[in-house]
Amino acid sequence: GESVGLHLPTLSVQEGDNSIINCAYSNSASDYFIWYKQESGKGPQFIIDIRSNMDKRQGQRVTVLLNKTVKHLSLQIAATQPGDSAVYFCAEHSYSSASKIIFGSGTRLSIRP
Amino acid sequence: GAGVSQSPSNKVTEKGKDVELRCDPISGHTALYWYRQSLGQGLEFLIYFQGNSAPDKSGLPSDRFSAERTGGSVSTLTIQRTQQEDSAVYLCASSLGLYQETQYFGPGTRLLVL
Repeated sequence: GESVGLHLPTLSVQEGDNSIINCAYSNSASDYFIWYKQESGKGPQFIIDIRSNMDKRQGQRVTVLLNKTVKHLSLQIAATQPGDSAVYFCAEHSYSSASKIIFGSGTRLSIRP
Repeated sequence: GAGVSQSPSNKVTEKGKDVELRCDPISGHTALYWYRQSLGQGLEFLIYFQGNSAPDKSGLPSDRFSAERTGGSVSTLTIQRTQQEDSAVYLCASSLGLYQETQYFGPGTRLLVL
């Protein structure tokens, strides 16, 4: 199957601080990117997406940045709250190849009170 | 509205038995994915159905795994002669399809092979 890595890397953030979760994607032809949040015992949930003709997109407390030059995607969460504790996955898709979505290995976000 | 549903929510089976896991996607969604997730790990792609096209089976880990999608809607993932390493959460997701790729995930089926 697709690579999913071994144990998930963990990012520990103080409550109230901003969080930045990074993702390196694999396919230079990918033109659509998504961030998902997975809470314990639940399936992943859509947070925000961005298309390759953009380099930044903002949602409520979240911002996604795309750097196509270095194939890098980041998710910024402002004023991190305890409810933000979860595993975050980036995903990439290429419309031109009509291929399946490919997920990154995920990052666990832990909030310190 | 109704989301993606999966059944059973939990399944305990003995090594060597066959299991069937069911996924009901959101109505009208043409794309359907199966993933496997081991404890504390990421999502392992298994299989992808898109409309009437031949499924992408490139993620199936062995010939003991198979999946079908009947009538472009409900999908069944079958694991034959289960092994202990098959124990995981099996997640199903659906999306509207090409150019509408945001996936909506079901709650998963937790499979334990004893």
